[in-house]
Amino acid sequence: ETGVTQTPRHLVMGMTNKKSLKCEQHLGHNAMYWYKQSAKKPLELMFVYSLEERVENNSVPSRFSPECPNSSHLFLHLHTLQPEDSALYLCASSQTLRDYGYTFGSGTRLTVV
Amino acid sequence: AQTVTQSQPEMSVQEAETVTLSCTYDTSENNYYLFWYKQPPSRQMILVIRQEAYKQQNATENRFSVNFQKAAKSFSLKISDSQLGDTAMYFCAFRPNSGYALNFGKGTSLLVTP
Repeated sequence: ETGVTQTPRHLVMGMTNKKSLKCEQHLGHNAMYWYKQSAKKPLELMFVYSLEERVENNSVPSRFSPECPNSSHLFLHLHTLQPEDSALYLCASSQTLRDYGYTFGSGTRLTVV
Repeated sequence: AQTVTQSQPEMSVQEAETVTLSCTYDTSENNYYLFWYKQPPSRQMILVIRQEAYKQQNATENRFSVNFQKAAKSFSLKISDSQLGDTAMYFCAFRPNSGYALNFGKGTSLLVTP
């Protein structure tokens, strides 16, 4: 048990599909993050939520839509993705926004065909 | 903008030996944190060690230690007595005190061989 759980672990979707990634933490953390990890590239911060409010949207295309219904759950809704969106999507949480202790999930490996 | 550079895409070390992974960073900030994360095949990023820039003493966690050179903007990770379980991707990361996002390098793939 990692403390941050991501589902599904693997996802294959067509370019016209709509799917959602889920992240859940029961650590009592107030900040949650989505990162994209592509091969040979640094991790890219996508979205940041603090106390269920989005505080950063890092120039992410609108085909990615985040949702944070409460402090324990974070979703990433996907629609009309492109093959270059194939990557590992990592969720992380921290006690507060400027806490230096991130806890990561194991990610969702997304393949867009 | 802050950038983190890991110049060694891949490294290999024999079990029980010592290996050093390199990291340099570029920032105009004076107060920040530096981190090393490990990502094994299970994919979960695990914090190995962190360093506060205002501290001159190098951080140490069991077999893991860092060589922090603030003026040179260098933050290398030394793994002593390498174990097979140390095989993983290692990422160097930076966060300014003024911000909250971690900026990562591209990673170094470390293989520990018997």
